[in-house]
This record gives sequence, C-alpha cells and structure tokens, in this order.
Amino acid sequence: GAGVSQSPSNKVTEKGKDVELRCDPISGHTALYWYRQRLGQGLEFLIYFQGNSAPDKSGLPSDRFSAERTGESVSTLTIQRTQQEDSAVYLCASSLVGSGRSHEQYFGPGTRLTVT
Amino acid sequence: LAKTTQPISMDSYEGQEVNITCSHNNIATNDYITWYQQFPSQGPRFIIQGYKTKVTNEVASLFIPADRKSSTLSLPRVSLSDTAVYYCLVGDRGGGFKTIFGAGTRLFVKA
Repeated sequence: GAGVSQSPSNKVTEKGKDVELRCDPISGHTALYWYRQRLGQGLEFLIYFQGNSAPDKSGLPSDRFSAERTGESVSTLTIQRTQQEDSAVYLCASSLVGSGRSHEQYFGPGTRLTVT
Repeated sequence: LAKTTQPISMDSYEGQEVNITCSHNNIATNDYITWYQQFPSQGPRFIIQGYKTKVTNEVASLFIPADRKSSTLSLPRVSLSDTAVYYCLVGDRGGGFKTIFGAGTRLFVKA
C-alpha cells in the first residue's frame, strides 16, 4: 500500500517568509509525528498527534512553529517568519497505536527546507 | 523519558558481525527498546523492538540483559549496504510517546 508522503520534497524560501509543509500519513494510522533533522545530526522531535487527543507540542522550538492535523489524515507544519537556522529536513512519520502493537513509525521522504 | 547513550561511530568490514550497544540506565518498567536504521537522504526505518532477553528477526538480533539497563543490536555478516546511522530508542509503546532519537551510531562498513 501507499506509504507516508510529504510535499514539497524541496523548498527554498527567503528569510522572513512563511512556509507550509504537508504530510499524508498511511491510511488508518492514528499517530503522526513531525521531526526536524539538521545536516549530519539526529532527529529532533517536534510534535505528536494521536487520534482526537490534544497534540504533544513540547518539541516545537518556538512560537513560529505550529502544526495541525485534520482528524486522522493530513497534517501541515507551518513555520512563520522563517530564519536561516530553520534550514533542515523535516520528516513526518505515522504509526498504528494499540495494545500489543510495536508502534513502528513509518517515515516519509522528508521535505528539505532551505532558508536563504 | 529514559535517556540513551550509544557510540557515535563504528567501523566494520564486510562479512563481520557488528554489535552496537546502547545504555539506558533509567529505563522504566513499561518501556520497550526499539532500533531504527537511517540511510542518507531517507527517513529512519524500523529494525527491531524488544522488552527483555532476546529478539531475532530477518534483519538483526536484539539482546537485552535482565536488568534492562542496556541493549545490544547485533547485525550478522554486514555488507556495504548496512552503512547507515542506527538509533536506539526507549519508550512506552502503550499509547505512543514523545520519541527521542538522539544522535545515533554511524556505522561504516568497509570492503
């Protein structure tokens, strides 16, 4: 079946502009995660959605970052007034959550954001 | 959340067995240990998950001692294509969790 998809694959924007990144999770996956990965570094957790529960936003680095999810489908990550330090690959993952499950996360290909 | 510590990098040769150890001294009773693999320009990929003793699948084995304060990912007979970053995660799989990937272990397999 279809995996996690993300768009755009690449985004170049000028400092100060807003950007919106999109994630389409695997159908039926109730959990959705956003991560940021700077060049040569590990993944930074940003935000986690699980069903209808309030999202865990504890990883968002500043109030310029926000994310929404429509039900158990598409999610968008918005970065306002982008800064050069926002340049990174933004990864989205989804997983099936439930008793006895591994909660294996399936990752999308990522969006490479470059702020000039 | 339990913090994990793993080597920054490791080198190996093709055909050798590679063991990557992760320390997680503060692991909680409900926590599972999960390993992911990440190739350049790709998102991480789930390898294996375990709670205690030993778990084996077609890709790797995971050894967890009785005190669960560490775990070892074992890759049998590595090939050049196993060159990747390997992440050890510890968390409660009961209801999803804030996932801490850390810096991982960069494995470089040489011919």
